[in-house]
Amino acid sequence: AIQMTQSPSSLSASVGDRVFITCRAGQDIRNELGWYQQKPGKAPKLLIYSASSLQSGVPSRFSGSGSGTDFTLTISSLQPEDFATYYCLQDHSYPLTFGGGTKVEIK
Amino acid sequence: EVQLLESGGGLVQPGGSLRLSCAASGFTFSRNAMCWVRQSPGKGLEWVSTISGNGYATYYADSVKGRFTISRDNSKSTLFLQMNSLRAEDTAVYYCVKDPAAVPYDLDVWGQGTPVTVSS
Repeated sequence: AIQMTQSPSSLSASVGDRVFITCRAGQDIRNELGWYQQKPGKAPKLLIYSASSLQSGVPSRFSGSGSGTDFTLTISSLQPEDFATYYCLQDHSYPLTFGGGTKVEIK
Repeated sequence: EVQLLESGGGLVQPGGSLRLSCAASGFTFSRNAMCWVRQSPGKGLEWVSTISGNGYATYYADSVKGRFTISRDNSKSTLFLQMNSLRAEDTAVYYCVKDPAAVPYDLDVWGQGTPVTVSS
């Protein structure tokens, strides 16, 4: 199975901050990676697919970059509604594997 | 409206069985690979199993292989997960999901989740 190492596991930030979350794959997964946002008690929501494609309806402050083994989710200006947990998911091959998650909290 | 609605979760004793169902609507179910993803209390997300659109190909996480069986009835737009020999570590919310690894990649559909608790 392809291991996905996500960091940090948690972070504290203020409204308006730029935030970076990274995922490293255990092997080359090309651009086959998605980023998800999950709020408590809710199902995850897709933000970015194919490493850098913005899902329809997702604010443009979210962006994704990277290919191969190293990927980054950037939130350019953190908003109150962005406080949540974020996960990466490799969909290069089965078994699909998620990163461990990053909880973004209010500073 | 695109929608997935799970049912069948509940409390079961260790070693017991449970069958989850997921009714799909608002998209062409038979053209889409589907999967189950679970989340243990306070933990992260874990992919469980995937089935192709025609049902011929299936994939399983090592943690459930030999105990869980995924299937689908395209005539009823319904996905299933038969769970046997349940263990405490299978306790989780189970989500029915349009498989992210299959086209179209931007079709993001999740159910609301159904809780499964394995306990004596």
